[in-house]
Amino acid sequence: QQKVQQSPESLIVPEGGMASLNCTSSDRNVDYFWWYRQHSGKSPKMLMSIFSNGEKEEGRFTVHLNKASLHTSLHIRDSQPSDSALYLCAASPYNQGKLIFGQGTKLSIKP
Amino acid sequence: EAAVTQSPRNKVAVTGGKVTLSCNQTNNHNNMYWYRQDTGHGLRLIHYSYGAGSTEKGDIPDGYKASRPSQENFSLILELATPSQTSVYFCASATSNSDYTFGSGTRLLVI
Repeated sequence: QQKVQQSPESLIVPEGGMASLNCTSSDRNVDYFWWYRQHSGKSPKMLMSIFSNGEKEEGRFTVHLNKASLHTSLHIRDSQPSDSALYLCAASPYNQGKLIFGQGTKLSIKP
Repeated sequence: EAAVTQSPRNKVAVTGGKVTLSCNQTNNHNNMYWYRQDTGHGLRLIHYSYGAGSTEKGDIPDGYKASRPSQENFSLILELATPSQTSVYFCASATSNSDYTFGSGTRLLVI
């Protein structure tokens, strides 16, 4: 079983709507979380990172982190067709630098 | 512009043959990583390196070797390729804070 679990596997959201993606680590030895976006046929690109409990907002994107439950969520408001992509969550074990990725959530925005 | 370059972009190999995937980075990052991406599995870590001359096993190292002859270059070697190694392979370089830069990927088909 993957140490980083994402849900849902896939999500369809109408254009202009809110998309909410979830991610949980079963490995307690992690401290940092990242969200990546990967368009079809392209390489992953970092969207946002979060290290502290609470919320972080950048434009239409908001990330939440609960370190006690090792759960993070990504929320995209006013979703656009260009947001259609695979969203990958990643966690970093303490002092190791490497990232462990989840299986991804495929987001489709319907015009 | 700092970058991670992978070669080849596409490769068809025969079962039992030797395959070498190459990765070059101009970011002057100490850390480099090899992942494979398959539908439903996200990115899985194969091998990584903290600097020239060092290699470490990731989560799925069986059937793969890695070589880091210099700061810039990190290779992934399949000594005896098998159809189960058909996948998309991504190389990344990163800072010690896990700020990753991914290459464009190598699509490998083993027949």
